[in-house]
Amino acid sequence: AQSVTQLDSQVPVFEEAPVELRCNYSSSVSVYLFWYVQYPNQGLQLLLKYLSGSTLVKGINGFEAEFNKSQTSFHLRKPSVHISDTAEYFCAVRKVGGGADGLTFGKGTHLIIQP
Amino acid sequence: EAGVAQSPRYKIIEKRQSVAFWCNPISGHATLYWYQQILGQGPKLLIQFQNNGVVDDSQLPKDRFSAERLKGVDSTLKIQPAKLEDSAVYLCASSLDRENSEQYFGPGTRLTVT
Repeated sequence: AQSVTQLDSQVPVFEEAPVELRCNYSSSVSVYLFWYVQYPNQGLQLLLKYLSGSTLVKGINGFEAEFNKSQTSFHLRKPSVHISDTAEYFCAVRKVGGGADGLTFGKGTHLIIQP
Repeated sequence: EAGVAQSPRYKIIEKRQSVAFWCNPISGHATLYWYQQILGQGPKLLIQFQNNGVVDDSQLPKDRFSAERLKGVDSTLKIQPAKLEDSAVYLCASSLDRENSEQYFGPGTRLTVT
């Protein structure tokens, strides 16, 4: 079984400031890692994913994340945030291999951008 | 291409009533998922289909929840009878039938049980 911990339920940050959203995971098997964003009253949209290879992954809207296997972390970063980045962000994992491959999500981090 | 479609978008029912949600995945997507997202929490997988067969329903409360995907395309999720704690957003997602395939999510159905 897998579990995901998002350490901050809310992160307030000023516009144009950098931000880091933290994610740690636990799994007895190899996993793929994902970050999703959910804007109000909308479905989930994939920001980025780590499947293999380079541990630094770049996604949409200027976001990036770094996979750290020894610390079982996958923190999300953006060097300069905008008002439009206000949303709920979810870290998720999925076991490697086919078959039952549903996502296991963290509880989410609400990113609040202050003008 | 059209995304994952879900209906209704909102539903309000009283406890002990029954309710059904419908999902139409992206054309060609063999794998379909239903997730439950309770307010303030991340989505939780309820059931995964591959074509019309169930791959994983280990977290589906089978005493009251049921789901089907009869022709391997659209799917329905039913709750009977509903409880107050079933109030949540029910998300449907679909993906191609191959490893590393991205899951695409629909807008969800917001259920309120009173």
